Amino acid sequence: EDQVTQSPEALRLQEGESSSLNCSYTVSGLRGLFWYRQDPGKGPEFLFTLYSAGEEKEKERLKATLTKKESFLHITAPKPEDSATYLCAVRGTSGSRLTFGEGTQLTVNP
Amino acid sequence: EPEVTQTPSHQVTQMGQEVILRCVPISNHLYFYWYRQILGQKVEFLVSFYNNEISEKSEIFDDQFSVERPDGSNFTLKIRSTKLEDSAMYFCASSEAHGAPASLHFGNGTRLTVT
Repeated sequence: EDQVTQSPEALRLQEGESSSLNCSYTVSGLRGLFWYRQDPGKGPEFLFTLYSAGEEKEKERLKATLTKKESFLHITAPKPEDSATYLCAVRGTSGSRLTFGEGTQLTVNP
Repeated sequence: EPEVTQTPSHQVTQMGQEVILRCVPISNHLYFYWYRQILGQKVEFLVSFYNNEISEKSEIFDDQFSVERPDGSNFTLKIRSTKLEDSAMYFCASSEAHGAPASLHFGNGTRLTVT
C-alpha cells in the first residue's frame, strides 16, 4: 500500500525566511510525485510533477526536489500570499489513484 | 486557463436521501476522478473513470456510490442513501492522460453536509 508522510504539520515563517517542507513516501514503483497547493475551501491546485530521483522543478519562489525516498519543497524568500496548505501525493504502478499526505499548513507573516 | 467546474458548492441533505454531485471536466481531458476530503483529514481517492467505465475504485466506493458521464461534458457522482459519515468535501478532477506526464486538475469541490 502506498504511503505518504509530510512534515512538519504546520510551519510559521516570517516574510523572506526561507525553509523546506518534507514529503516521505513508500510506493510500489513510482509513476509520479505531485505537489499541490490548497487554499481554505478550495480544491488542490497543481504545482509540480516529479518522476525520477535527482529531478528538480522550479516555479517562482518554489523548488521541488526528489530522491528515492522523499521529496522537498523549498520556499525561498516567501511572501504572505504563499500561505496555504501544501499537499504531496504519489502515484504508483498499482493503479491510477493518487495517495495524498496530510499536508503542511504554511503561514507566512508579514 | 481552463478549469474543472463543480456544482453545487454546498449541498445539505438528510440521512438516507440521494444526492448527485456534478462536475464539468476540462474539455480535452479524457480521464475523470472523484476524491473526497473529510474535515481535517487527507484527500482520499474514490474512483477513476475512462471511456465510459470505471477503471479503478477504492474501498470507500461501495454499492451506494455510482458515477456517470451522461453527455459529452458532465461527470456525476451519485450517493444513493447518504450516511452521516458521507459528510465531506467532494472533489472532481480530470487529466489528459493516465500515466506520466499526466497531472490531475481539481475543481473547487462540493461541500456535502448530511444531517
